[in-house]
Amino acid sequence: QKEVEQDPGPLSVPEGAIVSLNCTYSNSAFQYFMWYRQYSRKGPELLMYTYSSGNKEDGRFTAQVDKSSKYISLFIRDSQPSDSATYLCAMSQNSGYSTLTFGKGTMLLVSP
Amino acid sequence: GAVVSQHPSWVICKSGTSVKIECRSLDFQATTMFWYRQFPKQSLMLMATSNEGSKATYEQGVEKDKFLINHASLTLSTLTVTSAHPEDSSFYICSASVNSGLHSEQYFGPGTRLTVT
Repeated sequence: QKEVEQDPGPLSVPEGAIVSLNCTYSNSAFQYFMWYRQYSRKGPELLMYTYSSGNKEDGRFTAQVDKSSKYISLFIRDSQPSDSATYLCAMSQNSGYSTLTFGKGTMLLVSP
Repeated sequence: GAVVSQHPSWVICKSGTSVKIECRSLDFQATTMFWYRQFPKQSLMLMATSNEGSKATYEQGVEKDKFLINHASLTLSTLTVTSAHPEDSSFYICSASVNSGLHSEQYFGPGTRLTVT
């Protein structure tokens, strides 16, 4: 079993839809959880950063962490064509030495 | 803020030659820089971690003599792919770590696409 599992997609939705992206993980030591957005042939861009369980909201984006289920989610409200990208979840065990373990990424396509 | 640049963005080289990739943190000092490799439709795989002024720590399976990392200052790290072969063709991405209160965040460069012919 891989440490971080993420459905590669593609996930196709119409503009304005609510998008749900998810990752599961096996290492209970992970405490820090991140979502990155990566456009084609570009480096990843940090979207959300959460610690432990709970929700965090930033504009149209909401990140949820359920450590008991080892499950994290990213919700995108009112999705836009510009949201079309690959979304990578990442997690780490501690904050000081930020070795990240990434999921494979989910490709999201938002059609106008 | 927290901008990381890479140079070059794209390079083609012949098999057997060496290629140097630069990673710079433009508006902050990075305590730690990371080098990743990403194959098409695959996730980022950490190659090595470098701290300014000390030797890089390589991940298992990464040849330290082939992928030379130099972290000369708090704003610059370089990755040199020596004696490149076609199988080294990949997307190389660096990131720089910023301490933000109780935790560190990684900011990524735009990546360098290496093609070895």
